[in-house]
Amino acid sequence: NAGVTQTPKFQVLKTGQSMTLQCAQDMNHEYMSWYRQDPGMGLRLIHYSVGAGITDQGEVPNGYNVSRSTTEDFPLRLLSAAPSQTSVYFCASSIQEGNTEAFFGQGTRLTVV
Amino acid sequence: AQKVTQAQTEISVVEKEDVTLDCVYETRDTTYYLFWYKQPPSGELVFLIRRNSFDEQNEISGRYSWNFQKSTSSFNFTITASQVVDSAVYFCALSEEDRDDKIIFGKGTRLHILP
Repeated sequence: NAGVTQTPKFQVLKTGQSMTLQCAQDMNHEYMSWYRQDPGMGLRLIHYSVGAGITDQGEVPNGYNVSRSTTEDFPLRLLSAAPSQTSVYFCASSIQEGNTEAFFGQGTRLTVV
Repeated sequence: AQKVTQAQTEISVVEKEDVTLDCVYETRDTTYYLFWYKQPPSGELVFLIRRNSFDEQNEISGRYSWNFQKSTSSFNFTITASQVVDSAVYFCALSEEDRDDKIIFGKGTRLHILP
């Protein structure tokens, strides 16, 4: 089983560029989420989804969009990258609600210059 | 407000010592879940334990043990006879049933086990 797959692993963007971080899971999990990890800040929730067609904001949603057209995929879009979005991004999935064990992807290290 | 506090930013202990990582949480819900995750130097996040608010029994898994005390809103993690491989960042996390069970993480404690 692949589990949670994130692509790309590394990315450098210029300020103002847009890009999509991909996240796919093959465990038929309903609940998916995106976090960013910054030094000294821990993991902060960006957006989450409790099932296909349903998304909601987390702690730090500004500058990011998500959609959940299928159970498997939960892409994170940066519409106009800013240096403040330099971070490591993690996608996670859980069987149902977020109160069960979360499985994390390997992370995407994003640098915005 | 949902909040998780890990007051210890960084801890260093010598191998074979015991070490306790503190976690204090805030919630107004009666039904909630607490977690610990480990992030080794390789960067992946590894699930360690999940506890619901109705189960205050302490748990032991090998050298790891967890102490859940609702009276003090704490969910502390102890490593007994620490090993170099325990060096990692450890995160405590909380989810509340009434808030879509979003998992909110503390800022983490970086643990160094010195040989």
